[in-house]
Amino acid sequence: NAGVTQTPKFQVLKTGQSMTLQCAQDMNHNSMYWYRQDPGMGLRLIYYSASEGTTDKGEVPNGYNVSRLNKREFSLRLESAAPSQTSVYFCASSEALGAYGYTFGSGTRLTVV
Amino acid sequence: LAKTTQPISMDSYEGQEVNITCSHNNIATNDYITWYQQFPSQGPRFIIQGYKTKVTNEVASLFIPADRKSSTLSLPRVSLSDTAVYYCLVGAMGDSSYKLIFGSGTRLLVRP
Repeated sequence: NAGVTQTPKFQVLKTGQSMTLQCAQDMNHNSMYWYRQDPGMGLRLIYYSASEGTTDKGEVPNGYNVSRLNKREFSLRLESAAPSQTSVYFCASSEALGAYGYTFGSGTRLTVV
Repeated sequence: LAKTTQPISMDSYEGQEVNITCSHNNIATNDYITWYQQFPSQGPRFIIQGYKTKVTNEVASLFIPADRKSSTLSLPRVSLSDTAVYYCLVGAMGDSSYKLIFGSGTRLLVRP
């Protein structure tokens, strides 16, 4: 099993460009999440989806949008990238919301110049 | 959400036992304690979870005192490959308001 797969692994954008980060899980999990991690920092929650068809804002949602395409896939879109969005982005999934073990992807390293 | 406090960093040597303590003074009755491990350039990985007393798996042990206001992650006989950041989190199963929030974690450096 692949677990949580993120694409792309690396991306460089120019300020103002848009892009979508893709995430897919094959564990039949109901809940999915997007986090960002800045150098030397912990993870901060951007958006999450408790179940298929629902999405909600996390700690730092400004500048991002998400789509829960189906139970497997949860995408993160940057409409107009800014240098402050340079970060490593992690997608995660869990059986349900709450203190269930989360499975993380390997991350997307995004640089906005 | 229960706030957690952990040491920023710890040093150890190969073969030693490492204990990382996390404080969570306002833990709620339904809260569980969960630990994650993160290696550089990777996403966090679930290590262990417990509610009270002691939990052990093939990777670590988790000790939780009766008052549950703290917990200790114990890594037996660490190796260089245990160098990582360790996060302690507290929250309830099925709690719709619980969304995994990571602090800065504890950076463990294992030396030869």
